[in-house]
Amino acid sequence: EAGVVQSPRYKIIEKKQPVAFWCNPISGHNTLYWYLQNLGQGPELLIRYENEEAVDDSQLPKDRFSAERLKGVDSTLKIQPAELGDSAVYLCASSLDRRTEAFFGQGTRLTVV
Amino acid sequence: DQQVKQNSPSLSVQEGRISILNCDYTNSMFDYFLWYKKYPAEGPTFLISISSIKDKNEDGRFTVFLNKSAKHLSLHIVPSQPGDSAVYFCAALMYSGGGADGLTFGKGTHLIIQP
Repeated sequence: EAGVVQSPRYKIIEKKQPVAFWCNPISGHNTLYWYLQNLGQGPELLIRYENEEAVDDSQLPKDRFSAERLKGVDSTLKIQPAELGDSAVYLCASSLDRRTEAFFGQGTRLTVV
Repeated sequence: DQQVKQNSPSLSVQEGRISILNCDYTNSMFDYFLWYKKYPAEGPTFLISISSIKDKNEDGRFTVFLNKSAKHLSLHIVPSQPGDSAVYFCAALMYSGGGADGLTFGKGTHLIIQP
C-alpha cells in the first residue's frame, strides 16, 4: 500500500514569491494534517482536515498561508508571499480518524532566499 | 509553553545495550501517547503507542511505559541496534476538545548507537 506522497521534495524560492505544496494521503484516510517542522524542533500542527472540512486551522497564519482539500482526498498548502522565516520542512500526514496514529509523508523542504 | 517535553537532545548507547528515551507532559487531558522515529530527510515513522488507560505496551524490542501520576513516559529499546540511530519524537493526542486536535510533539531526542 502506498504511503503519504508529497511533492515537491525540495523547493527554493525568492522571498515574496508564492509557493505551493501537494499531498496525496493514504487511501481511505479521512483525516489529513499539515505540519511545520523547524530545525531542531518537533513538528507543529498547521491545519487538520476531516474529509474536506478544515476543523482546526488555529495555528495557520492566515494572512499568507492557505490550504484546501478538494473532494476530501488530495490537499495543497500555499504560501503567498513567502518570507525568509518560512524556510522549514512542511510535512503532510494522514490517519483513519483523529484518534489513531498519523502516517507522515517525506516532507517538502522549503528554502526562502 | 511546551506541553510535551523531551529534555535530552541526544543520547549515546552502546550496541546491544538498552536505550531509554524519556518524555514528560504537562496536560493531563492527553489520552494517547505515541513515539515516532525519524531518519534524516525522511518523514517521521510511527513506532509504538500507548493509551492512557494502560501503563505498558510492548512490541518486539520496543516497550513504552506510562506513569500517569508523574506525567511521564519512556521508550525502552532492547537490545539496541545500529539501525536504531535516529531522532525519536514523543507525541501526545487529546481525544476531546480543549486543545490542539492534532498530535503535540516534543522536540525529539537524537539516539546514537555506538558499535
